[in-house]
Amino acid sequence: DVKVTQSSRYLVKRTGEKVFLECVQDMDHENMFWYRQDPGLGLRLIYFSYDVKMKEKGDIPEGYSVSREKKERFSLILESASTNQTSMYLCASSLQGPNEQYFGPGTRLTVT
Amino acid sequence: GENVEQHPSTLSVQEGDSAVIKCTYSDSASNYFPWYKQELGKRPQLIIDIRSNVGEKKDQRIAVTLNKTAKHFSLHITETQPEDSAVYFCAASKGNTGKLIFGQGTTLQVKP
Repeated sequence: DVKVTQSSRYLVKRTGEKVFLECVQDMDHENMFWYRQDPGLGLRLIYFSYDVKMKEKGDIPEGYSVSREKKERFSLILESASTNQTSMYLCASSLQGPNEQYFGPGTRLTVT
Repeated sequence: GENVEQHPSTLSVQEGDSAVIKCTYSDSASNYFPWYKQELGKRPQLIIDIRSNVGEKKDQRIAVTLNKTAKHFSLHITETQPEDSAVYFCAASKGNTGKLIFGQGTTLQVKP
């Protein structure tokens, strides 16, 4: 069974803080993704990584950066958290190419 | 840019009735179309997917149809049960890449 885990289920941070969200997958998947989920907007891609140290911007990368130093781990960084980054953040992984994405349980981030 | 439109945004049916959710996509190079189910407080999970070389796929009470010419695909759930109540997302691949573009989601309520 594919397992995708995220470091926190709930997180509360203050405006201006640096925030790290971590994602780990155990299936040797090449692709890893960070999404943001907001009501009525579906899942929007923030960043995508197709290999170690490789990354591509998604549809809403502003205010975020990512790091992939090891194949199994993909980190999302909010350099200076703002209230409009309050959201549910979902990590996913998949094999190379267009394939099923396996999601983590999500991190509900609140920025006050 | 590429997008996926999903309708309806909410759907309420009586137990035992059928439910149909429709999606249209804009990227003519899309070749992979998954459907995800997300129960309240849980992660999205794949329920069925279809590739562009197939027009229809069925798995017990769930079926997906694809019309590549018209660029639309649909999810059909027959004999609905209360446990089918969830948010359903369609998605289309960005060309032949691992990236997916998600629809906005449909909240399905099955009334007993």
